[in-house]
Amino acid sequence: QSALTQPASVSGSPGQSITISCTGTSSDVGSYNLVSWYQQHPGKAPKLMLFEVNKRPSGVSNRFSGSKSGNTASLTISGLQAEDEADYYCCSYAGSSTRYVFGTGTKVTVL
Amino acid sequence: QVQLQESGPGLVKPSETLSLTCTVSGGSVSSGSYYWSWIRQPPGKGLEWIGYIYYSGSTNYNPSLKSRVTISVDTSKNQFSLKLSSVTAADTAVYYCARAEDTSETIDYWGQGTLVTVSS
Repeated sequence: QSALTQPASVSGSPGQSITISCTGTSSDVGSYNLVSWYQQHPGKAPKLMLFEVNKRPSGVSNRFSGSKSGNTASLTISGLQAEDEADYYCCSYAGSSTRYVFGTGTKVTVL
Repeated sequence: QVQLQESGPGLVKPSETLSLTCTVSGGSVSSGSYYWSWIRQPPGKGLEWIGYIYYSGSTNYNPSLKSRVTISVDTSKNQFSLKLSSVTAADTAVYYCARAEDTSETIDYWGQGTLVTVSS
């Protein structure tokens, strides 16, 4: 099972919106609405930002939103803030055997 | 609030077995609805799911690591453990223990991670 494909880097100015894509296959992203997104600051553990494509855990800002079309899921950060600068990983359920496959990761830079 | 904490040696020799333990607080490894998982991240690289154990004791491993991985649970200590055999330098990584919710298949709580270096 190959990693999901994400752009290596995305940047934006404060206040702008950015979107990170996460492309998989019909065996993972395309088959299940079970995509989650994680934010990881340097030296820290990943933090859950979205689950089941577009649901936010308690405490996560509504500036974070998600969607999915076919084999590609997307994370949008609106009103970009300095604190959003981090690495972001998508993760998809991939069936009972492989279970979870992660994305390659995207570094978000706030200009 | 569930908390997870990894513990174990930070240095392992090539060909030996890596052993880590995760201690869970604020929740029980015996409760249903959760998969107790291990995930790793090589330095500067992405995340890789290693496997999980369910409260019933059933396990599921990443096919690419299956031949070398064993995950077990000690309900009396509220801990679960990882063993990875025949390690090489490619197994050098930060190892995270985590909890996944079974209905949403979401990894929701993570430990802080522990760096394990494979070197002689």
